[in-house]
Amino acid sequence: AQSVTQPDIHITVSEGASLELRCNYSYGATPYLFWYVQSPGQGLQLLLKYFSGDTLVQGIKGFEAEFKRSQSSFNLRKPSVHWSDAAEYFCAVSGRGSTLGRLYFGRGTQLTVWP
Amino acid sequence: KAGVTQTPRYLIKTRGQQVTLSCSPISGHRSVSWYQQTPGQGLQFLFEYFSETQRNKGNFPGRFSGRQFSNSRSEMNVSTLELGDSALYLCASSPGGTDTQYFGPGTRLTVL
Repeated sequence: AQSVTQPDIHITVSEGASLELRCNYSYGATPYLFWYVQSPGQGLQLLLKYFSGDTLVQGIKGFEAEFKRSQSSFNLRKPSVHWSDAAEYFCAVSGRGSTLGRLYFGRGTQLTVWP
Repeated sequence: KAGVTQTPRYLIKTRGQQVTLSCSPISGHRSVSWYQQTPGQGLQFLFEYFSETQRNKGNFPGRFSGRQFSNSRSEMNVSTLELGDSALYLCASSPGGTDTQYFGPGTRLTVL
């Protein structure tokens, strides 16, 4: 069965510090992988995606993620966090076949940024 | 291009009533997916429509239904509302369903 695990419910970092949010997935085939961000009361904004090719992908707002097939992981990183990055982050997986048009989401990681 | 729009943004209903939510996808996108977001269950997939046909459905009761029109706009309907239906309902569009999904701002439904 398809599933996504985000082990960290809440992470607190200081402004300017580096950030890594973890994501592990379970999927029967080669997945499509996504990271979305959600501010309070808002919809989801796409940060980056991995479909194929280079396993290190760059996204918006200075974020990047690395796909590691051997570890079934797709961790999100940012070298220097800004106060405006405080939000909830969701990792998601999708594919073809029976899961067409459907994203499987993790439970999210809430990021707090200290000034 | 304009993004995904959802109307209304906020809705208050009472138990037993029914509600219809609307979603207009990005121009040219033919796939619309719906999700329910609650603090307890997180983001859960409701259903996906492509070219007016439901292609995929999540594990929700029959009270939850949807449809898609020829212009790709979609509506979802919840009948006989229950308190547990209070949630943020998100719609997302993509060109074909296997592509990246772009989300609207959501409709916040409160059931009293």
